[in-house]
Amino acid sequence: QQQVKQSPQSLIVQKGGISIINCAYENTAFDYFPWYQQFPGKGPALLIAIRPDVSEKKEGRFTISFNKSAKQFSLHIMDSQPGDSATYFCSGGGSRLTFGEGTQLTVNP
Amino acid sequence: NAGVMQNPRHLVRRRGQEARLRCSPMKGHSHVYWYRQLPEEGLKFMVYLQKENIIDESGMPKERFSAEFPKEGPSILRIQQVVRGDSAAYFCASSPRRDTEAFFGQGTRLTVV
Repeated sequence: QQQVKQSPQSLIVQKGGISIINCAYENTAFDYFPWYQQFPGKGPALLIAIRPDVSEKKEGRFTISFNKSAKQFSLHIMDSQPGDSATYFCSGGGSRLTFGEGTQLTVNP
Repeated sequence: NAGVMQNPRHLVRRRGQEARLRCSPMKGHSHVYWYRQLPEEGLKFMVYLQKENIIDESGMPKERFSAEFPKEGPSILRIQQVVRGDSAAYFCASSPRRDTEAFFGQGTRLTVV
């Protein structure tokens, strides 16, 4: 009941395109869903987070869509840029975070 | 406000030695989490501590691994008698309370030779 499944494993997008990463969770006790961005050799950095009482949250080019009944949530990166190339992790939390396996995003110039 | 500080950034140990990884949480944060990351893999939860207490150690191997977060000083992750399979990046995160944003340090990359 602690799993978070993330897809795709890797994603290649052209500059200016939309990047979409999907996650599904099992544990209905999760009440906090942050996304993290990680560059090689660095620690994960908090990108954007949502709580299940909200269906969508937008911060700049980053949007989380949340479907509580389906236990699914997704990250949309609008107008993707080469600087967005990184690994993205979704997570679900209660007392501590459970992470998806990560999506390696490459944005081609 | 300094971020989560981990040291050392890189640690090389021979098989059988002990590794001690330190984590100083952000100011005002009393919740600390340790995660392990193998190359090209995700973050695996190890242990969750609050000052002087282990709250959840369900991800910690039963042998050779221990963690503490004393009243004063950093949190310590200790790995005794290291083996090659312990080679990984170990990340610490802190938060001001449970169920809210956790901020990560830059990690300690342990290499066992």
